[in-house]
Amino acid sequence: DAGITQSPRHKVTETGTPVTLRCHQTENHRYMYWYRQDPGHGLRLIHYSYGVKDTDKGEVSDGYSVSRSKTEDFLLTLESATSSQTSVYFCAISESGHTNQPQHFGDGTRLSIL
Amino acid sequence: KQEVTQIPAALSVPEGENLVLNCSFTDSAIYNLQWFRQDPGKGLTSLLLIQSSQREQTSGRLNASLDKSSGRSTLYIAASQPGDSATYLCAVRQPGNQFYFGTGTSLTVIP
Repeated sequence: DAGITQSPRHKVTETGTPVTLRCHQTENHRYMYWYRQDPGHGLRLIHYSYGVKDTDKGEVSDGYSVSRSKTEDFLLTLESATSSQTSVYFCAISESGHTNQPQHFGDGTRLSIL
Repeated sequence: KQEVTQIPAALSVPEGENLVLNCSFTDSAIYNLQWFRQDPGKGLTSLLLIQSSQREQTSGRLNASLDKSSGRSTLYIAASQPGDSATYLCAVRQPGNQFYFGTGTSLTVIP
């Protein structure tokens, strides 16, 4: 399995609080991604990074920010969490942006916002 | 906007049967298509990746095909086993490093 660790694995918090999820990789891959998975929607891309300090938006980026200060860490922040952001969040990595490179996923973080 | 559809949503088969899972997409301007399996409470495991210039890829008992012009891909599983029970997802990659996933087919292989 690809060396991807997501933390925390589970979190329950209240509406309006800030939340930060962490993705840590040991593969030295250049690209990192954050997705959310909701019933009936499949996985949707939130943000991705193509290098240290280089990030871009995905399909559902509103309400989320990201940071990547080191190759191995990609942080997803919900500045003021809302109930609609209750979801399972997955981090993924790929070695490069080449089209022959598959994505590999972490085990996810289950986030509940009350 | 790209739409990725997987039908059926659920499938049950007896052990040993060969089966085909379907994935369709509305925009043929894709770079690649990737098949994953997801076990309950787990992340996604990459199975096969087919680039847009390829027609098929094989790994063990799995064979994935791609017909980009018609917007279809199939995942063929030979001689199914109970351990193959999982949800199978397909995803397409488009320009701008955007990825679109289907909602998956939940497969149960009955011993």
